[in-house]
Amino acid sequence: DIQMTQSPSSLSASVGDRVTITCRASQSISSYLNWYQQKPGKAPKLLIYAASSLQSGVPSRFSGSGSGTDFTLTISSLQPEDFATYYCQQSYSTPRGGFGQGTRLEIK
Amino acid sequence: EVQLVESGGGLVQPGGSLRLSCAASGFTVSSNYMSWVRQAPGKGLEWVSVIYSGGSTYYADSVKGRFTISRDNSKNTLYLQMNSLRAEDTAVYYCAREFRWENLKSRYYYYYMDVWGKGTTVTVSS
Repeated sequence: DIQMTQSPSSLSASVGDRVTITCRASQSISSYLNWYQQKPGKAPKLLIYAASSLQSGVPSRFSGSGSGTDFTLTISSLQPEDFATYYCQQSYSTPRGGFGQGTRLEIK
Repeated sequence: EVQLVESGGGLVQPGGSLRLSCAASGFTVSSNYMSWVRQAPGKGLEWVSVIYSGGSTYYADSVKGRFTISRDNSKNTLYLQMNSLRAEDTAVYYCAREFRWENLKSRYYYYYMDVWGKGTTVTVSS
């Protein structure tokens, strides 16, 4: 099974900061990597698919990059509504699965 | 409007059974890959099961042999039959559509969960 490891597990930042979250796969997954945002008590929301494609309706301050085993999610200028938990997910293997453990983004 | 609505969660004793439903609107369940994802209290997301448009089904090792995913095309509804429930199955269960997107440049297909329900809570306890 492909294991997904996110770092850091938690992060404190301020409004306006640039933030980067990393996701590493245990083997190459090309660009089959998705990012989701989840707020407390809510369902996850798709942000980025295929490593770098922005989902419709998602603000352009969110961006994704990477291929192979190393990926990043970047928020260029944090907004108050961005404080949430972020998950990466690989869609390389069949069947799908493989979420990272999550990165909790908190207000400093 | 594209929407998923889960139901069927509740409190069940260890060893018991429960069937979750996920009613879809705005798209056809049988034309898509559909997944169940769960989240134990205070924990991360765990993929549980998927049913492909062709009918193939797959399960996480943690539920294999106990859970069964299915769909009713006439009702446009996805199901998860959960048997032999354990305390560690306690979680919020989400259904999600796995959208298939073709990168026109590379001609590769990518999958991602673009529509999610709000979830239904399953508690396994005596």
